[in-house]
Amino acid sequence: DGGITQSPKYLFRKEGQNVTLSCEQNLNHDAMYWYRQDPGQGLRLIYYSQIVNDFQKGDIAEGYSVSREKKESFPLTVTSAQKNPTAFYLCASSHNYGYTFGSGTRLTVV
Amino acid sequence: DQQVKQNSPSLSVQEGRISILNCDYTNSMFDYFLWYKKYPAEGPTFLISISSIKDKNEDGRFTVFLNKSAKHLSLHIVPSQPGDSAVYFCAATDGTSYGKLTFGQGTILTVHP
Repeated sequence: DGGITQSPKYLFRKEGQNVTLSCEQNLNHDAMYWYRQDPGQGLRLIYYSQIVNDFQKGDIAEGYSVSREKKESFPLTVTSAQKNPTAFYLCASSHNYGYTFGSGTRLTVV
Repeated sequence: DQQVKQNSPSLSVQEGRISILNCDYTNSMFDYFLWYKKYPAEGPTFLISISSIKDKNEDGRFTVFLNKSAKHLSLHIVPSQPGDSAVYFCAATDGTSYGKLTFGQGTILTVHP
C-alpha cells in the first residue's frame, strides 16, 4: 500500500535545539516537498527536491535544512535559527501532477 | 506576494444547498489548479483539479470552474453535506518549477444540518 509516512505525529522541542522530521515515501515519486501550515496562512513551501542529491529553497527556507540522499527519504531539520518553529509540517511527493501528502507532524517548541 | 488568494476565510451553508468557494491567482504562468480538503492535524486530501486548457471539470458533487481571463477559479459543491465541513485549499502550479504547489490561505466550510 503506497503512501507517505511522516514521523513522529507530535514533537516537542526545547528552544535552542535542532530537530529532524522524517518523511518516507514508497510511491517511487521523484519530487518531494516540505510545507508548513500556520493558522490563516495556508501551506507555505519550505524546500523541495526533484531528484536525489538535489534540492531547492522554497518561500520560507530560513532556519531549515534538508537532505535527499535516497529517493524515498526527504528529512527536514528545524534548526535553532528558525525563529517561530511551532507549526504543523507536511511532506508531499508528486509525479505528473499527482500529489500525495503525509499526515503531518505537529512541532511545538517549549 | 500572495500569488494565490482565497479571500473568504469562512463560509457557512445549509445542508443540501450549494457551496461556492472562490480562489484568485496572479501568476499567469500557472497552468494547473487543484482543490484540497483538509481536517485539523491531517494531510490535505485531493478533491478535484483542472488544467488551464479547460474551463470546467466535474466529479460527482464537485465542479471546478476556471476563468483564465479573470484569473479566478471556483469550487462548487452540490448538494452540500455536513461531512463536507473542513478547510478547503486551492493550489496552483506551473510546468517549470518542479511541480511545486502554491496554496491559498484556505476557507473554512461549515455545512449545517
